[in-house]
Amino acid sequence: GNSVTQMEGPVTLSEEAFLTINCTYTATGYPSLFWYVQYPGEGLQLLLKATKADDKGSNKGFEATYRKETTSFHLEKGSVQVSDSAVYFCALIRPSGNTPLVFGKGTRLSVIA
Amino acid sequence: GAGVSQSPSNKVTEKGKDVELRCDPISGHTALYWYRQSLGQGLEFLIYFQGNSAPDKSGLPSDRFSAERTGGSVSTLTIQRTQQEDSAVYLCATTAGGLETQYFGPGTRLLVL
Repeated sequence: GNSVTQMEGPVTLSEEAFLTINCTYTATGYPSLFWYVQYPGEGLQLLLKATKADDKGSNKGFEATYRKETTSFHLEKGSVQVSDSAVYFCALIRPSGNTPLVFGKGTRLSVIA
Repeated sequence: GAGVSQSPSNKVTEKGKDVELRCDPISGHTALYWYRQSLGQGLEFLIYFQGNSAPDKSGLPSDRFSAERTGGSVSTLTIQRTQQEDSAVYLCATTAGGLETQYFGPGTRLLVL
C-alpha cells in the first residue's frame, strides 16, 4: 500500500539554522508529493508540491526535490525564522488524482530566537 | 466562498450522543474529503465524495460514522453514539475536479467526555 514516513519530532532550532525534515514514501506508480504546514491555531496549508521525478517544489524559502531513486522528498530551508514554527506534514497522492492524501505523522518544528 | 469553512469550530459532547459536523466547500469544487487528525494517529482519511458518484467510504472507522453531501455542495459528517476515542480534529478538504491540490478547512475540534 501507499505510505509516508517522516522524521519524528519535535525539532528545535535556533533562528537562522539550516532545516532538514526527512520524508520517504512507499507507493505504486509515480505519486505526487506534498508538504503541508499547520501553524499554531490554524488549518493545514499547502507549502509546496512536486508531481514528477526530479521536480523541485519551493515556497517561502522551503524546498523539496522529488527523488525517485531514493523514494524521498526531504524538506529543507537554509535559514529558519521564528515564524516557521509549525507542524509539517509530508503527503502523497496517487497519480490518478482526486484520491485521498496519505500523510506522514507530522514533524513539529520550534524555532527559538 | 473564498475558502473551505467548517462548523462548529469546537464541539464538546457526552459519550453516547450523536454529533453533526458541517463542511462548506470552495464554490465549484467537485471533490470533497473528510479526514481526522488525532494524537498518535496523525491524519487519517475518512470518506471522499466526487461529483454524483458513490462516495468512497473505505476510511470510515466504524458504522457509527456516516456522511452525506447534498446537491454536490455542503457535506455533513455524522457520528452516532460518540465514544471518547472519537475525540479529534475533523478536517474537510476540497479540490476542483482533475486537480490534485486539496484545500483544507480550519477543522472542527471534537471532545467527547
